[in-house]
Amino acid sequence: LAKTTQPISMDSYEGQEVNITCSHNNIATNDYITWYQQFPSQGPRFIIQGYKTKVTNEVASLFIPADRKSSTLSLPRVSLSDTAVYYCLVGAIPDTGRRALTFGSGTRLQVQP
Amino acid sequence: GAGVSQSPRYKVAKRGQDVALRCDPISGHVSLFWYQQALGQGPEFLTYFQNEAQLDKSGLPSDRFFAERPEGSVSTLKIQRTQQEDSAVYLCASSYSGGGSEQFFGPGTRLTVL
Repeated sequence: LAKTTQPISMDSYEGQEVNITCSHNNIATNDYITWYQQFPSQGPRFIIQGYKTKVTNEVASLFIPADRKSSTLSLPRVSLSDTAVYYCLVGAIPDTGRRALTFGSGTRLQVQP
Repeated sequence: GAGVSQSPRYKVAKRGQDVALRCDPISGHVSLFWYQQALGQGPEFLTYFQNEAQLDKSGLPSDRFFAERPEGSVSTLKIQRTQQEDSAVYLCASSYSGGGSEQFFGPGTRLTVL
């Protein structure tokens, strides 16, 4: 499985856009990039997934350059409730439903008023 | 609809005691996973079921850990002769493996071994 590297922590203020970059130099052709969010005392929650270029949903955007060796999760206009740990994961799908996820240590985002 | 539920939410055990942690996955989800999360770390895979079959138990740290899912729905993670290093949050996740790409996690059980 491809190893991922992401910042340990980030700070932001309410209303700002936050970009969290993840490096995955050894990503394989069949690998997708997935981001999960985890609040204290809760299990991780799926945010977004992509293979290349850009993916956008109601929560976030995911930017993936052509070489796919990195990806950037973009959270528009963060609020205090976005304070959480964000995990970048790389793995092959569509059989992810049959495969365990490999989490790193994640990025701890702290949003200040 | 109901999500993944786990019980108990908190468990305190004396070293040497046996514990049993329960997971109720989302109805109809074929795949079920157990993860262990130490404080400040990401979750780490323990074991995986497809229906009642345990297809991967490579992440179980020792033979004191045992998991079952006898009817393909509810699962139990059992830890025998608990040790202090077993203290962690144990997360259960389920997914519909009909091509879905998302795992749904429960809130976890926080186990503290004294």
